[in-house]
Amino acid sequence: ETGVTQTPRHLVMGMTNKKSLKCEQHLGHNAMYWYKQSAKKPLELMFVYSLEERVENNSVPSRFSPECPNSSHLFLHLHTLQPEDSALYLCASSQTDRGLANEKLFFGSGTQLSVL
Amino acid sequence: DAKTTQPNSMESNEEEPVHLPCNHSTISGTDYIHWYRQLPSQGPEYVIHGLTSNVNNRMASLAIAEDRKSSTLILHRATLRDAAVYYCILRAGNYGGSQGNLIFGKGTKLSVKP
Repeated sequence: ETGVTQTPRHLVMGMTNKKSLKCEQHLGHNAMYWYKQSAKKPLELMFVYSLEERVENNSVPSRFSPECPNSSHLFLHLHTLQPEDSALYLCASSQTDRGLANEKLFFGSGTQLSVL
Repeated sequence: DAKTTQPNSMESNEEEPVHLPCNHSTISGTDYIHWYRQLPSQGPEYVIHGLTSNVNNRMASLAIAEDRKSSTLILHRATLRDAAVYYCILRAGNYGGSQGNLIFGKGTKLSVKP
């Protein structure tokens, strides 16, 4: 248990559906992240939030919409996804977003998403 | 960004030491060397990090070459639970914002045989 909880663990959705992924951290951290891990590809950083404000968006398509209502919760809203969006979506948190070299990231177990 | 090079895969026998190499010939003087691992069906987890000196913790040891162009993660006695993908990542020091973000490569897939 890392202190970062993601739900659901598995999700199957059609291309016309709207769904949301949820992440909650119990570590008192100020920064939260979404990463995407496609099969046989390295993890890709999608979004970074610091104190509930988005500080980075790595050219992610608008069909992915993040939301951070407070420093403990992070959502990823999904709509009109494509089959190639099927992947493991990982949430992480850290004390700050300043990318301090000593900082550790704590990851959740991820949501395995399949888009049909 | 400074990059790292790791073997795609390695094998080990249970209860034997494992040395996982990482080359980072373009490392800058302020880059920290981080190691994470990802067990099957899990998110990555932090293992260890260092700057210049060798480091030990309860999970592993990190040996850093004197010129810092390579490092080795050492698992002293591999167990079946250590089977995972191990990522060697350089993290910029003295920077804030995106320069310090954790950028993952492909890592080394470690298999442990009973």
